[in-house]
Amino acid sequence: SQQGEEDPQALSIQEGENATMNCSYKTSINNLQWYRQNSGRGLVHLILIRSNEREKHSGRLRVTLDTSKKSSSLLITASRAADTASYFCVVESGGYNKLIFGAGTRLAVHP
Amino acid sequence: NAGVTQTPKFQVLKTGQSMTLQCAQDMNHEYMSWYRQDPGMGLRLIHYSVGAGITDQGEVPNGYNVSRSTTEDFPLRLLSAAPSQTSVYFCASSYSRAGAGATNSYTFGSGTRLTVV
Repeated sequence: SQQGEEDPQALSIQEGENATMNCSYKTSINNLQWYRQNSGRGLVHLILIRSNEREKHSGRLRVTLDTSKKSSSLLITASRAADTASYFCVVESGGYNKLIFGAGTRLAVHP
Repeated sequence: NAGVTQTPKFQVLKTGQSMTLQCAQDMNHEYMSWYRQDPGMGLRLIHYSVGAGITDQGEVPNGYNVSRSTTEDFPLRLLSAAPSQTSVYFCASSYSRAGAGATNSYTFGSGTRLTVV
């Protein structure tokens, strides 16, 4: 089964609301990254948190990491319609650059 | 603009045909990789390379070949296309190798949408 499993699979909110997405994984990790994919486009890197960090901020994004629970969350504050996309939790594990993707959370932000 | 360039953007193949998906990066990244994305799923690693002349298999390598003769280019070859290879293919690159405490982010190309009929 896949690691980096996101929850929920789909999320629908209004502009201005906060969006929270969760991710679970199964192995030890070097780091955990979140990517955004707009429909039909490539993936864009949002934020990376290292295995020895617990929380990280970047603009309206806040990521937490709990290695004891093998879980992470991505919070997008004050969401905008332009945030509508799929969000992927990606774990980097092992001695080589092996990224392991979950199926993603589809976020829809309505004006 | 610097980045990862994939060509073609769209391709339709007949079963049994062969073709090469091109990937080029101009960021002097050591690491390059190919993924496929099927509907409702995350990306799965096909092959990767940690430097010129070095390639290795990922999670779903069957039916695909790669080579890395230069740092910039990492083509993906479909030897005999099958309908099961209908997918969107993404190439990604990163500056350096992984490891504990690594902070590499990955740059993705815009994808190649392949249909095998």
